[in-house]
Amino acid sequence: SAVISQKPSRDICQRGTSLTIQCQVDSQVTMMFWYRQQPGQSLTLIATANQGSEATYESGFVIDKFPISRPNLTFSTLTVSNMSPEDSSIYLCSVRDFSYEQYFGPGTRLTVT
Amino acid sequence: AQSVTQLDSQVPVFEEAPVELRCNYSSSVSVYLFWYVQYPNQGLQLLLKYLSGSTLVKGINGFEAEFNKSQTSFHLRKPSVHISDTAEYFCAVSLPISSNTGKLIFGQGTTLQVKP
Repeated sequence: SAVISQKPSRDICQRGTSLTIQCQVDSQVTMMFWYRQQPGQSLTLIATANQGSEATYESGFVIDKFPISRPNLTFSTLTVSNMSPEDSSIYLCSVRDFSYEQYFGPGTRLTVT
Repeated sequence: AQSVTQLDSQVPVFEEAPVELRCNYSSSVSVYLFWYVQYPNQGLQLLLKYLSGSTLVKGINGFEAEFNKSQTSFHLRKPSVHISDTAEYFCAVSLPISSNTGKLIFGQGTTLQVKP
């Protein structure tokens, strides 16, 4: 099974600033995803991180707000830009391996003040 | 478009009692089905999945689920719960690989509260 690490695990940020979250997986995977889990809510897909090309964003999410990079098969970053208190959430990295198993990282708990 | 409905937001149950967490889905095409568990302050862990074949799927920690195509349901069951099963449970669907990247659509979650 894939083991996923995320940095930072949590952060408290001021309104108007940006935070970059890193996701590292210990094996090559086919797909990488970024999800958001708002307080007390379910998970919503932000985007699919494509290796070497622009991410594919879901309805309601835009690249200017959530730029994503994926320079290789095991690493991706998500930036939350120009943050507001509404961005306070848990951000989870997820990967799908070649057997169609999908794994989740421990999440990054973001609080915007 | 696909959607998932978890019929109970909270399920309180006493230790060693059986439990069923209900999940219904909506889709005009065949889907893959998943149950995940999220313990407090942790990420998601896959309990079990249905891709094809036998409709009764067994997962980790003694959980099982039954796929019912006519009812469009995928209910999760455990015959005897432990205090350690207290967590948030998410049902999710995905389109098959050939037509999708494998992105998951989640239900709203069910909080299982196991009481001593």
